[in-house]
Amino acid sequence: DVKVTQSSRYLVKRTGEKVFLECVQDMDHENMFWYRQDPGLGLRLIYFSYDVKMKEKGDIPEGYSVSREKKERFSLILESASTNQTSMYLCASIWANSGEQYFGPGTRLTVT
Amino acid sequence: GNSVTQMEGPVTLSEEAFLTINCTYTATGYPSLFWYVQYPGEGLQLLLKATKADDKGSNKGFEATYRKETTSFHLEKGSVQVSDSAVYFCALTNGGATNKLIFGTGTLLAVQP
Repeated sequence: DVKVTQSSRYLVKRTGEKVFLECVQDMDHENMFWYRQDPGLGLRLIYFSYDVKMKEKGDIPEGYSVSREKKERFSLILESASTNQTSMYLCASIWANSGEQYFGPGTRLTVT
Repeated sequence: GNSVTQMEGPVTLSEEAFLTINCTYTATGYPSLFWYVQYPGEGLQLLLKATKADDKGSNKGFEATYRKETTSFHLEKGSVQVSDSAVYFCALTNGGATNKLIFGTGTLLAVQP
C-alpha cells in the first residue's frame, strides 16, 4: 500500500513564526503536491514538484515556499505565518503519467 | 481554463436512500475524471475514476459515467449507509508529466439512521 505521511496532524503557531510542514511518501513517486483545503473553496494547489530540486508554483503560492532535497520528502514552508494561513494542508504524491494521487492525512494548522 | 463544478451541500439523506451528487466540468481535450472521498479526520482517497468518454467508474456501490456530450460525471449510489457520510470531491486532470488535479469545492453528505 502506498503511504503518504505528514509530520503533524495538528499544529498551532504564532503570527510571524516560520513553519515547516513535512511530507514523506514511500512509493518512489516522482510528483508531489501541496494543497490547502478551506470550507467552500475545495482544494487549492500551492506548489508541486516533479523531481528532486524541481518545483513549480500552483494557484496560490504567495506566502509559501517549498523544498525537495530527496525524492521521498516534500516540505512546505511558511516563511512568516499569518492568520489567513490557518487552514488544512494536504500533501499528495503520484507516479508520472498515472491518474491517481495519494493523499496524506492532512495537517490542521492554526495561526494565532 | 479547466474547472469543475459540483453541487453544493450539505446533502442529508436517510439510510438506504438513493444518492446523486452532480458534477460538471470544463476542459480542453480529453480529461480523466475522478471522485475522491474524505472521511472525517482523514485525507482524500480515490473512490473511482474514468479515463475516456462513456467509461463507467465504480467502487463500493458508487458509480459515475463519463458523459462527454453533457460534460458531466455525476456520482450515484443506490442505497446509502451511515458509513458513507463524508465529503465527496469531483476532480479532473488533463494528464501530462505533472498530473495536476483540478478539484470541485466538495459536497458534504450526511446519512442519518
